[in-house]
Amino acid sequence: GAVVSQHPSRVICKSGTSVKIECRSLDFQATTMFWYRQFPKQSLMLMATSNEGSKATYEQGVEKDKFLINHASLTLSTLTVTSAHPEDSSFYICSAWTVLRRTEAFFGQGTRLTVV
Amino acid sequence: DAKTTQPPSMDCAEGRAANLPCNHSTISGNEYVYWYRQIHSQGPQYIIHGLKNNETNEMASLIITEDRKSSTLILPHATLRDTAVYYCIVLVGNQFYFGTGTSLTVIP
Repeated sequence: GAVVSQHPSRVICKSGTSVKIECRSLDFQATTMFWYRQFPKQSLMLMATSNEGSKATYEQGVEKDKFLINHASLTLSTLTVTSAHPEDSSFYICSAWTVLRRTEAFFGQGTRLTVV
Repeated sequence: DAKTTQPPSMDCAEGRAANLPCNHSTISGNEYVYWYRQIHSQGPQYIIHGLKNNETNEMASLIITEDRKSSTLILPHATLRDTAVYYCIVLVGNQFYFGTGTSLTVIP
């Protein structure tokens, strides 16, 4: 089946630094990818929709200047958490649709970000 | 915003069928119902989806009421590895908005 891979799976960074998370579709082209965040014992919250070759669409309340999304190719989207703070510590998950088999969205394994 | 409501938790005996309900009373005629599950600290895993008709695959069955206002996911023979949070999701456009899900615990 289709695979979506995230990297890194875990990252610890210092407050004030930036962290980049990569999301790759390994065996299909993804014109649209989605980024979620999940706090402990809570559900996934959609942050933004990433469209290849154009600007991302952010959900209400998500700071676009803090969570930079780049979708430069059909197989790669990146999320950069800029000037990270401890409250940005969370589980970040990406997902993608396949263009040809539009029956299910595939999710990455997630990235655990800890800001110290 | 999520258009679904689910019970927060359920238990099921190993080997028995697990029936997970979901209400989606505001669903529109062309919106699909999807089920995903999430095992701790992993990405969600697709289970099944449907529009009007009941569906079955190797993992589960999906029963959708005739008025489409609710559905039930059935795991026919629950195993310990089925312990997870199960999300019922109505697909809006091409975006998934997750509700709170049901935490299913399969008991030996």
